[in-house]
Amino acid sequence: SQTIHQWPATLVQPVGSPLSLECTVEGTSNPNLYWYRQAAGRGLQLLFYSIGIDQISSEVPQNLSASRPQDRQFILSSKKLLLSDSGFYLCAWSGTGLSSSNQPQHFGDGTRLSIL
Amino acid sequence: DQQVKQNSPSLSVQEGRISILNCDYTNSMFDYFLWYKKYPAEGPTFLISISSIKDKNEDGRFTVFLNKSAKHLSLHIVPSQPGDSAVYFCAASDGNTGKLIFGQGTTLQVKP
Repeated sequence: SQTIHQWPATLVQPVGSPLSLECTVEGTSNPNLYWYRQAAGRGLQLLFYSIGIDQISSEVPQNLSASRPQDRQFILSSKKLLLSDSGFYLCAWSGTGLSSSNQPQHFGDGTRLSIL
Repeated sequence: DQQVKQNSPSLSVQEGRISILNCDYTNSMFDYFLWYKKYPAEGPTFLISISSIKDKNEDGRFTVFLNKSAKHLSLHIVPSQPGDSAVYFCAASDGNTGKLIFGQGTTLQVKP
């Protein structure tokens, strides 16, 4: 069966420091991969999605970037964190193929990021 | 502009009764709808989905209804159990991109 792993679970970082959050998927090949952020009291906002290695689309202008160095690895990064980057970050995957648009996304357990 | 809206931030229901969670959308291009359940400090868990070619989909205690003319969907949980207490998110996809647009969530509390 497919599993998705995110780490770390929690992270406290000072303003201006770099960031690297990692997500890996097991049990499937060529998944679509996604990064979301949930700000306090709000819904999930899509930040990045990827349909393949080095194929990444950004949904909103922001202080973050994403990379996909391997088929099942998705990394969220920042060179200098801002206070507004605080939030709950979630990685998700979905299947690909002809009906990929009608497949659910499956989420990791998230990373709680606090910027001080 | 919020394309997917859950207008009730919270809902409280007695154990054994029916829970009805509502969701409205504005984009007529959406053709796939999903419900997720989320516990604190965990990622959302997929519950049930429905394609726009259907108006009802049932899975155990969970049923999703879709009213395309009203651009409205709902999730029925019956009978409700205390373990159902969580935040429920509805989401919609436009079919072309596969990207999901989420509502703000509704917190369900099922009282014993």
